Amino acid sequence: GAVVSQHPSRVICKSGTSVKIECRSLDFQATTMFWYRQFPKQSLMLMATSNEGSKATYEQGVEKDKFLINHASLTLSTLTVTSAHPEDSSFYICSAISLAGGTYEQYFGPGTRLTVT
Amino acid sequence: QKEVEQNSGPLSVPEGAIASLNCTYSDRGSQSFFWYRQYSGKSPELIMFIYSNGDKEDGRFTAQLNKASQYVSLLIRDSQPSDSATYLCAVPQGAGGTSYGKLTFGQGTILTVHP
Repeated sequence: GAVVSQHPSRVICKSGTSVKIECRSLDFQATTMFWYRQFPKQSLMLMATSNEGSKATYEQGVEKDKFLINHASLTLSTLTVTSAHPEDSSFYICSAISLAGGTYEQYFGPGTRLTVT
Repeated sequence: QKEVEQNSGPLSVPEGAIASLNCTYSDRGSQSFFWYRQYSGKSPELIMFIYSNGDKEDGRFTAQLNKASQYVSLLIRDSQPSDSATYLCAVPQGAGGTSYGKLTFGQGTILTVHP
């Protein structure tokens, strides 16, 4: 089946620095990808929709200047957490939509665990 | 804003029993419903999706949808210790649930299957 990868799987950074997380669709093209965030013992919350070739759309309450999203190709979306703070520590999960054979399926990446010290 | 509510549990069942997980949703116009399983430290994986009222069976899993009551459930028959995980109910956002990929998740139910 279709596979979505994320890199890195884990990252530790110092407060004030920026971190880039990559999301790739490995065997299909994805014009739209999604970024979710999951805090400990909480459910997934949609952060933003990443659109290839255009600006991302952000959910209410998500700072677009802090969470920069770039969808430069049909197989790659990146999320950059700028000026990270400890409260940004979370599990970041991307997903991509495959529209094969007229039906859509959503595939989640394995997630990236971000720890800000 | 759509809301999806689940009993957070934890739910504990003995091996071989039926585990019943429940979910209610606020938007009567929602058309599709998803059940995901999430192991600790991992991303969610799709178990079942259901669009029509009634039951949908896939192996040991049965999803039940009652749109009039705005209720969707997941039954796991012959529960195994490997089924121990958090189970997430999800509904697509957008009018009529047409925003594919933009999912609103419930808070999840922690299931433990003990030998």
